[in-house]
Amino acid sequence: DAGVTQSPTHLIKTRGQHVTLRCSPISGHKSVSWYQQVLGQGPQFIFQYYEKEERGRGNFPDRFSARQFPNYSSELNVNALLLGDSALYLCASSLEVNEQFFGPGTRLTVL
Amino acid sequence: QKEVEQNSGPLSVPEGAIASLNCTYSDRGSQSFFWYRQYSGKSPELIMSIYSNGDKEDGRFTAQLNKASQYVSLLIRDSQPSDSATYLCAVNRLNDHTDKLIFGTGTRLQVFP
Repeated sequence: DAGVTQSPTHLIKTRGQHVTLRCSPISGHKSVSWYQQVLGQGPQFIFQYYEKEERGRGNFPDRFSARQFPNYSSELNVNALLLGDSALYLCASSLEVNEQFFGPGTRLTVL
Repeated sequence: QKEVEQNSGPLSVPEGAIASLNCTYSDRGSQSFFWYRQYSGKSPELIMSIYSNGDKEDGRFTAQLNKASQYVSLLIRDSQPSDSATYLCAVNRLNDHTDKLIFGTGTRLQVFP
């Protein structure tokens, strides 16, 4: 079975630009969560979606938004990029609750 | 006080030894506990989950949970150089239907031949 997929794998943007990251969950999984991981830290929760509805939001500014589509794939959007947004963005899928399985991540560099 | 605390390491053990990784958490309402392994430049990989007090074994891995002490640990028996990675402890806080994981900063494990 295919695992969680994310695209793109790497991305370089400049300050002020906008970025869209994409995620496809494991087949049959209805919940998608997004995390940000900066170097030397554990992942930080950004959003969780379940059945296309936002279930929770972490302590991130409104520049961050997300959505989930009818096929349970998801997009994370970040507007007005800052240097501090440079990080590994991780998508995790889960069947309903509890065990979350991560995709390979998108490494975003903001110059 | 951080919500999930881990010693950053590195923890260095010889090949074949037992590696012991520890984690404490602050929220007594935490319900589920996970260990992820993360190789350098890669994403976290779930290796163990534990939900009730006691030990849970899976191959060379044993997770131990003590909710009274708010402590969870991971033992790796017969450590191999391929076990060298950062081990992340994560705690689930099911709050208002949000199933978010709170991670520690990770412990770097080095297994030397």
